[in-house]
Amino acid sequence: GESVGLHLPTLSVQEGDNSIINCAYSNSASDYFIWYKQESGKGPQFIIDIRSNMDKRQGQRVTVLLNKTVKHLSLQIAATQPGDSAVYFCAEMKRFRGNEKLTFGTGTRLTIIP
Amino acid sequence: DGGITQSPKYLFRKEGQNVTLSCEQNLNHDAMYWYRQDPGQGLRLIYYSQIVNDFQKGDIAEGYSVSREKKESFPLTVTSAQKNPTAFYLCASSIVLGYEQYFGPGTRLTVT
Repeated sequence: GESVGLHLPTLSVQEGDNSIINCAYSNSASDYFIWYKQESGKGPQFIIDIRSNMDKRQGQRVTVLLNKTVKHLSLQIAATQPGDSAVYFCAEMKRFRGNEKLTFGTGTRLTIIP
Repeated sequence: DGGITQSPKYLFRKEGQNVTLSCEQNLNHDAMYWYRQDPGQGLRLIYYSQIVNDFQKGDIAEGYSVSREKKESFPLTVTSAQKNPTAFYLCASSIVLGYEQYFGPGTRLTVT
């Protein structure tokens, strides 16, 4: 069936290093992807998005890469800081009965080691 | 100060009682959504509304009801028919369907 999944449920990174969070999707018809950050007890916060006509998009300290050939999405965070500790979700937009809805993965917990 | 507000942050109810969770947005967004999040899991869509006076069931609508009488407001009622109501409930909105969604701070509901 269709799904959005993450390769690793947890990731620990040394402060100042770069982080890479991966996500696999199975619906080749999906045309929009979003990364969210969720801190404990809070709602998800939009980080960055990418459409299927692109393979890379950069924001402030973050880069999202999309590989449509292998249906893989990644979020790169440069020079990670303690404030980056959170759960990161990828979300896939796919059509359902003519209306688009987001399907979320289960999340990767990123822990920054001081 | 624009955004999405949910109240209350914590809510406790006895089993068998209906409870309504509030969601308000002043972003002038047409679309609004309700999600449920269980510990260690992703978000699952309960209901969504594309426009005022319209709403559609999501993946797990059983035991829930919504209304969309105003553009700014999309309250969710958790009924006694919902078998496992204890969860973290998140409301979101987007300018229209198909665009990035912005989330409120969530309401943690505990039913005993």
